[in-house]
Amino acid sequence: GNSVTQMEGPVTLSEEAFLTINCTYTATGYPSLFWYVQYPGEGLQLLLKATKADDKGSNKGFEATYRKETTSFHLEKGSVQVSDSAVYFCALRPGAGSYQLTFGKGTKLSVIP
Amino acid sequence: GAGVSQSPSNKVTEKGKDVELRCDPISGHTALYWYRQSLGQGLEFLIYFQGNSAPDKSGLPSDRFSAERTGGSVSTLTIQRTQQEDSAVYLCASTLDALPLHFGNGTRLTVT
Repeated sequence: GNSVTQMEGPVTLSEEAFLTINCTYTATGYPSLFWYVQYPGEGLQLLLKATKADDKGSNKGFEATYRKETTSFHLEKGSVQVSDSAVYFCALRPGAGSYQLTFGKGTKLSVIP
Repeated sequence: GAGVSQSPSNKVTEKGKDVELRCDPISGHTALYWYRQSLGQGLEFLIYFQGNSAPDKSGLPSDRFSAERTGGSVSTLTIQRTQQEDSAVYLCASTLDALPLHFGNGTRLTVT
């Protein structure tokens, strides 16, 4: 079956620190990969996506590269801000025409000044 | 334009009562999803609608849970005889074709 495993949180960083949130997946075929972010009191928002191997998704200073050889899609940001404090979810959609999104359990990030 | 709207935003109910949760998707979005977000459990898929039909109900936890969608738009998730383990945030999302999902802010359900 399809599954997503992401690092356990919570993660606490100081402002301007480097962020990595690990995500690995198991899927048949050629999945699309996503990172969603949930800010306090809000719904999930798409942060970035990648649809094929070696694609790099990027948005708001965050990046993630689709690594088929390691089945990974790690989220990185070079310098986090307090406003990045949120819960981050890695997700996959199995393949073309598939409708279901499978999510990881989420990683809570707290950035302190 | 308007996003996905869910109501109520918060619901407190007594064990054994029925509750209805409403989702208004983005206009024109043909696909609608319900997920449940429990503390420490991530997002659990409940049901998927394409138009008014639900090709996949596999995530509904028990027969106390049901959902319908009318007019290819509004959806209602009903939980009968609520139990304390039903307490969670219920999220609705919509999309067109296979584009990324757009989520509502959720309904926080507390069963006392």
